[in-house]
Amino acid sequence: AQKITQTQPGMFVQEKEAVTLDCTYDTSDPSYGLFWYKQPSSGEMIFLIYQGSYDQQNATEGRYSLNFQKARKSANLVISASQLGDSAMYFCAMREGRGAQKLVFGQGTRLTINP
Amino acid sequence: EAGVAQSPRYKIIEKRQSVAFWCNPISGHATLYWYQQILGQGPKLLIQFQNNGVVDDSQLPKDRFSAERLKGVDSTLKIQPAKLEDSAVYLCASSATTGYKHEKLFFGSGTQLSVL
Repeated sequence: AQKITQTQPGMFVQEKEAVTLDCTYDTSDPSYGLFWYKQPSSGEMIFLIYQGSYDQQNATEGRYSLNFQKARKSANLVISASQLGDSAMYFCAMREGRGAQKLVFGQGTRLTINP
Repeated sequence: EAGVAQSPRYKIIEKRQSVAFWCNPISGHATLYWYQQILGQGPKLLIQFQNNGVVDDSQLPKDRFSAERLKGVDSTLKIQPAKLEDSAVYLCASSATTGYKHEKLFFGSGTQLSVL
């Protein structure tokens, strides 16, 4: 069963608009962490934001925020005031439990910012 | 602080040939990961090392793939013999400790492998 699902293969947004990238996950472990990474055309995966399953508040990092809805098992990434440099692939990922558990990625969403 | 270094950046080989990739993690990072990213998909973990011991290699095709991390620092990933379906980007990543749920991974730029 797929643990991370990103249902939007591609998104097109006008510059300066806000954009929401969807991510749902599947786990029975009460302890887990959720990550978002950005992958520009250069190929390197860049960490954006992290949310722990026990965190009471939604995570924020500058223009990035994570809309964490635990009951729905969703962890959507919100980018405010999008910029041309935000054009990239975006991946949602999850690590379950304690110890050396692997980080599992979704299929990704390609975001294109139009001028 | 220097990032994760990988080489080569690109590699083109014919099927049945062998190939090796090299990774130098961030200094002091205990955990090293190799991921395979096929075009249009998310990265898939091949192998995870903690220092120089293997933590998870459950998705490594062991009949053709091998990896080692000598002295708990650099790592090499080898494919022998390569198949067409091995065409992918191979990403190396490292993290400071032993993979706690909150710990982020730092990635290199990857090696793009084309098998003809």
